[in-house]
Amino acid sequence: AQSVTQLGSHVSVSEGALVLLRCNYSSSVPPYLFWYVQYPNQGLQLLLKYTTGATLVKGINGFEAEFKKSETSFHLTKPSAHMSDAAEYFCAVSALYNNNDMRFGAGTRLTVKP
Amino acid sequence: ETGVTQSPTHLIKTRGQQVTLRCSSQSGHNTVSWYQQALGQGPQFIFQYYREEENGRGNFPPRFSGLQFPNYSSELNVNALELDDSALYLCASSLGGGRGSYEQYFGPGTRLTVT
Repeated sequence: AQSVTQLGSHVSVSEGALVLLRCNYSSSVPPYLFWYVQYPNQGLQLLLKYTTGATLVKGINGFEAEFKKSETSFHLTKPSAHMSDAAEYFCAVSALYNNNDMRFGAGTRLTVKP
Repeated sequence: ETGVTQSPTHLIKTRGQQVTLRCSSQSGHNTVSWYQQALGQGPQFIFQYYREEENGRGNFPPRFSGLQFPNYSSELNVNALELDDSALYLCASSLGGGRGSYEQYFGPGTRLTVT
């Protein structure tokens, strides 16, 4: 079975500052890892995903994440926050090549201060 | 290309009633997954349908049931509604029955309130 822990339910940064959202996973099989973003009253939008291969994954809107197997982590970063990045972010895990039971973290709400 | 759509957008029901939520998958997608997202929490997997058959189920009681139609659209039915069923219900469509690295595309959700 897989599970995800997102460290910090709320993160606040200033516009232009580094964004770091933390995610640790647990999986008994090779994982398939995702970051999704959710804006108010909307569904989830995929930011990026890791399957196999390069451990540094680049996504949309300037976000990237690094898969670190030894640390069971998949932290999301962005060098410079924009006001439009304010949203809820979810890390998710499923078994590699079998995503019919995707497990989500509780989410991290990102606030961007002007 | 039409994205994933869900209906209705909002719904208010009374405890004990039954509800049906609908999802139209993205064109060409044969797999639909349903998730429950309670307020302030991440989505929880309810079940997945692939080619009209249930293809995996999360930890939800049997009063949560579903259907998938030949056009791959889907329904989620909840019987004997409880107050804790109040949540945003998300539908996601994809290819391949969860196998492979196909992306899930989420709809905007149906907000269910049980009073």
